[in-house]
Order: sequence, then C-alpha cells, then structure tokens
Amino acid sequence: KAGVTQTPRYLIKTRGQQVTLSCSPISGHRSVSWYQQTPGQGLQFLFEYFSETQRNKGNFPGRFSGRQFSNSRSEMNVSTLELGDSALYLCASSLGPHTSGSSDTQYFGPGTRLTVL
Amino acid sequence: DQQVKQNSPSLSVQEGRISILNCDYTNSMFDYFLWYKKYPAEGPTFLISISSIKDKNEDGRFTVFLNKSAKHLSLHIVPSQPGDSAVYFCAASYGNTPLVFGKGTRLSVIA
Repeated sequence: KAGVTQTPRYLIKTRGQQVTLSCSPISGHRSVSWYQQTPGQGLQFLFEYFSETQRNKGNFPGRFSGRQFSNSRSEMNVSTLELGDSALYLCASSLGPHTSGSSDTQYFGPGTRLTVL
Repeated sequence: DQQVKQNSPSLSVQEGRISILNCDYTNSMFDYFLWYKKYPAEGPTFLISISSIKDKNEDGRFTVFLNKSAKHLSLHIVPSQPGDSAVYFCAASYGNTPLVFGKGTRLSVIA
C-alpha cells in the first residue's frame, strides 16, 4: 500500500510569489491534515479536510488556504510569500476525521521543503 | 502560548541504557496523548499513545507514562538502540480539536 505522497519535495520561491503544494493520501483515507514545521518549532496545525470540507483551521493568516478534491487529494496554497514562510510543510492522512482517542492514526508524508528567498 | 512543551531540545544516551523523554502540557482539557518519531527527510511516524484514563501504556521497548495531576508525560525507551536516534514529538488533543505538538527532542543513542 503506497504511503502519503507530497509534491514537490523541494521548492524555492521568492517573496511575493504564491505556491501550491500537493498531497495524495493513502488509498481509502478521506481525511487530510496539513502542518508547518519551522526550525525550533514543533508541528503547527494549518488545516484539516474531510470529504472535501474544512473541519478545522489553525491560527495562520488568510494567505494560507487549502482544498480537498473528491478523490481525497488535497492542495494547500500560500499567496504573497514571506521569508518566514520558509518551512517544511507536512501532510497527514487518516481514514476518518481526527477524533481524540481514536485508534485511527495519522500517517505523515515526507513533506515539502519550501524556501522563500 | 505553548500548550505542549518539550523542554529538552536534545538528549544523548548510551546504547543499551534507558532513554527518558519528557513532555509537559498546560491545557487540562487534553485527554489523549501521542508520541511521534521523525527521521531526517521523512515525515513523523506514530509511536505510541495513551488515553487520560490510563497512567501507563506499553508497547515493546516503548512505555509512556502519564501523570495528570502534574500535567506531565514521559516516554521511556528500554533498551535504547542506535536506530532510535531521531527527533521525538509529543502531541495532545481532546474532542475534535487538532493535535497540538511540542517542539521535539532530538535523541542521540551512542553506540
């Protein structure tokens, strides 16, 4: 069974540009969550999608947006890039929406390393 | 306001000894806690979890202890192996709220 795939793996952009990152969940998984990891920080939650609907959104500016398609694939977009957006963006998938205590584990992809110059 | 804290950025342990990674939390609503392990260039992988109704959960060499009154949990790895060298993240959640992660602790197991 293929794992979570993220494309591209590495990306270099300049300030002011916009970027779109893609995540393909494990086959059969319908929930996708996105996280940002910066040096010295833990994983910070961006958003969660289930059945094409955003269930939760983290404390990030409106420049960060996402969507989920009918095949459960998800994309996140960052507009007007800033230097501070340089980070590892991780996507995680699970069978169903996140519920505390559930044995439905989140499986992470390898991430997209975004560098903003 | 950091709700989940891992105060030790790094830890070095000799092979065969016990590794103890610590995590503190501030939100008393949290009722489920997890540990993830992350190798370079890979995404985090789930290691072990514990519900707030328990104070201990064991899985092979890995044991997680939860002290609710102190809002503290710890991950014990016995015996530690070089392959355990990675960054370990503690995470917590309640209800349908998303996982809240700590900043991670880098464990180095020295042969």
